[in-house]
Amino acid sequence: SYVLTQSPSVSVAPGKTAKITCGGNNIGNKNVHWYQQKPGQAPVLVVYDDSDRPSGIPERFSGSNSGNTATLTINRVEAGDEADYYCHVWDGGSDSWVFGGGTELTVL
Amino acid sequence: EVQLVESGGDLVQPGGSLRLSCVVSGITFKNYWMSWVRQVPGKGLVWVSRINVDGSSTSYAESVKGRLAISRDNAKNTVFLQMNNLRAEDTAVYFCASSRYDISTGYLGPFDYWGQGALVTVSS
Repeated sequence: SYVLTQSPSVSVAPGKTAKITCGGNNIGNKNVHWYQQKPGQAPVLVVYDDSDRPSGIPERFSGSNSGNTATLTINRVEAGDEADYYCHVWDGGSDSWVFGGGTELTVL
Repeated sequence: EVQLVESGGDLVQPGGSLRLSCVVSGITFKNYWMSWVRQVPGKGLVWVSRINVDGSSTSYAESVKGRLAISRDNAKNTVFLQMNNLRAEDTAVYFCASSRYDISTGYLGPFDYWGQGALVTVSS
């Protein structure tokens, strides 16, 4: 089955840029989605189809995807961005959705 | 306003059964694939099962095949998860989530809407 690999944690100072990566075999050929989840809450979609933003999501959130790595970039990080972030793809070959293990973003 | 409301979570003994429901409002339900995703407290998201727009196709994570069954009632805008032969490792919060499917293009969207989650605890 398809595997997505994320670093367990990323730390960044307020106002700086956070990059959260998601590795997968030829992930550049798939549509990657990203979710933000805060404690006790349901996940929220922040980027879909590699780089599109749902309405209401700040422009500070952006995404890219190429080769074996997809990246979620959060510019001008704020304290409120502290959360777990998950990448997500549909793997047609196994007829299954796949999540990465999640990355905990800490704002210093 | 879009709402996905799960119900049916409970404490159940190992080997027991439970049926989760997720009632959806605010979207055209029949245009969405539906999935169940679970999360052990403090751990990551794990996809469990999905069903297509008319219920004719389903798929499951290997860990639940043969024990869990997903279904839907488009007349009632509801998706179900029948859980049988439950194990301690099935203990988790179960979320339902929707993904738009465009039948004309074959495009399958992300999980754009989520429920608040239902806690299932399997313990004696």
